[in-house]
Amino acid sequence: GESVGLHLPTLSVQEGDNSIINCAYSNSASDYFIWYKQESGKGPQFIIDIRSNMDKRQGQRVTVLLNKTVKHLSLQIAATQPGDSAVYFCAHAMSSNTGKLIFGQGTTLQVKP
Amino acid sequence: DTAVSQTPKYLVTQMGNDKSIKCEQNLGHDTMYWYKQDSKKFLKIMFSYNNKELIINETVPNRFSPKSPDKAHLNLHINSLELGDSAVYFCASSSVSGNTIYFGEGSWLTVV
Repeated sequence: GESVGLHLPTLSVQEGDNSIINCAYSNSASDYFIWYKQESGKGPQFIIDIRSNMDKRQGQRVTVLLNKTVKHLSLQIAATQPGDSAVYFCAHAMSSNTGKLIFGQGTTLQVKP
Repeated sequence: DTAVSQTPKYLVTQMGNDKSIKCEQNLGHDTMYWYKQDSKKFLKIMFSYNNKELIINETVPNRFSPKSPDKAHLNLHINSLELGDSAVYFCASSSVSGNTIYFGEGSWLTVV
């Protein structure tokens, strides 16, 4: 069945370095992808999204890349800061049911000072 | 100022009890959701309402009943609570079904 998964449960980076969090999905019909950040004790917070007609989208310090050929999604965080420490989730929604987000398991990003 | 607010934040209750979690959004959105996050942090949708109408109902036990008195509110009532219901329940909303979904801070439910 469809799924969204992340390659690594935990990613540890040095403050100031760039972080790359990866995600794979199985359903080629997916057309909307989104990244959330969840800090301890809080709800998921929207970071950035991308639709399947795009390969790349940039925000403030973050970039999402979508490779539909291999069904791969990544989130790049530039100049990682201690405040970026959190669990990061990728998710997608199907065009036939766009209100239903399918979440991956989450990657914990640890930023070392 | 909280966009999506839910109460209570923490709830500890005994098996067999009935409890409710309330949710309100002040974003003017017309679609609201309930998601469940388990102990492994896996998030899964339970319900979705659009303008007070149920549009998504995942495979959730009948003991869970959402109620939307108006489009700014979506409450979750749980009957006969079981140990396995222990989780974090997130309310969320979006302006149009499929657009960016904004989450509340979560309600930590512990059934003992």
